[in-house]
Formats: sequence, structure tokens, C-alpha cells
Amino acid sequence: RKEVEQDPGPFNVPEGATVAFNCTYSNSASQSFFWYRQDCRKEPKLLMSVYSSGNEDGRFTAQLNRASQYISLLIRDSKLSDSATYLCVVNLNNNDMRFGAGTRLTVKP
Amino acid sequence: SQTIHQWPATLVQPVGSPLSLECTVEGTSNPNLYWYRQAAGRGLQLLFYSVGIGQISSEVPQNLSASRPQDRQFILSSKKLLLSDSGFYLCAWSDIGDFYEQYFGPGTRLTVT
Repeated sequence: RKEVEQDPGPFNVPEGATVAFNCTYSNSASQSFFWYRQDCRKEPKLLMSVYSSGNEDGRFTAQLNRASQYISLLIRDSKLSDSATYLCVVNLNNNDMRFGAGTRLTVKP
Repeated sequence: SQTIHQWPATLVQPVGSPLSLECTVEGTSNPNLYWYRQAAGRGLQLLFYSVGIGQISSEVPQNLSASRPQDRQFILSSKKLLLSDSGFYLCAWSDIGDFYEQYFGPGTRLTVT
């Protein structure tokens, strides 16, 4: 089993749609969790950290389920500019970050 | 605010040639520094990290090496490149904190021919 698993997609959704990504991780000792966004041929950029209680930033909502070892990202009212690859990242112990291979999202007009 | 620089942006090198990629961070002191490689269609693979000057931890045995000659400078090197070294090399930094969020530089796209 991979340490961090994501559905590679692609997810093709119309503008204004709500889309959700899930990510599972294998190490129950994982300490912190993140979602990054990566545009084609660019560096990953931190989208949001995922807190135990869940957190929201505008149209984006992240949830953590430690018991089931998964995290989720919900995007509401999708914009064309949301098209990117979304990386799930799990921090095992401070300097040991494990990245999923990413889920590709395309938002269409 | 903090910024991170990498150069060169792109590089084409023949097999067997040496490599030197540089990364510098501005606006912070004593950051943790990281080198990652991303092969086409794959996730990021941590290569090295450093918690201070001269302190390097290697995650994956290979023909690459890293050095940290100054607090905010991180260098990735190779004496002889292999075809399999092609990829997108990313430098990242983080501060010590609750979450250790990492912030990435613009990356170097290396093609070994």
C-alpha cells in the first residue's frame, strides 16, 4: 500500500460545480496534513493545512478523519482558475513529508 | 516576507557530466531546507534535508549529494549524471513550528541526454 494515495483523476467539472477529493494515508502516526496546488510545470504551492477540527478558507474546506486515515478537500463554486493538480501531503515527523501523486482537476466553462 | 530562489530554471546536460543546482532563501534565519525530485507524472521524492549549516540528511541513496555552506544556501550536486537523474528538482524551506509547512522554489527542470 502506498503511503499516501490519491485518485489521479482527471476530474472534469463545469464552472460553479462542487468537487471533492479524498486522500488516504497509511501511517497512523502521521502528525500533520496539507493540501498543495500544483499548476502545470510549476512548483507546488501550499493551499491549506488541515487541522484536526477541519478548516475552511473561502471556497475551500479541508477535513481530517484520523480514525479512517483520510483527508478530504472540497471546492465549492469551481472557477476556471481552480484547474490544477492537487497534492495531498502527510507529515510523518517534522522533516518527513510524504506527497501523493496528485489529483488533476479541470474546470470547464 | 520570505522568498526562495533556484537556478538555473532549465538545464540540459549530457550523461556523465557534473551537476550543481543552487537554492537560496531570503527573509528567514536557520530554515530547514529540502531537495525534492519530481519525475514526470509522479509524486515528489525527498532527496535531502538540512536542519543547519553542514547538516545533511539523505533520504535516498543515489549519485547525488547536497551541501549547505551557508545558513540560507542549499546546493545539490552530482559528479556524473545518469539518464535517470532527469526530472524536476525542487528546493523547499520550512520554519520550525507546529505544522512544518514547506514552501517551494520555482524549480529546475533537468534533462539528461
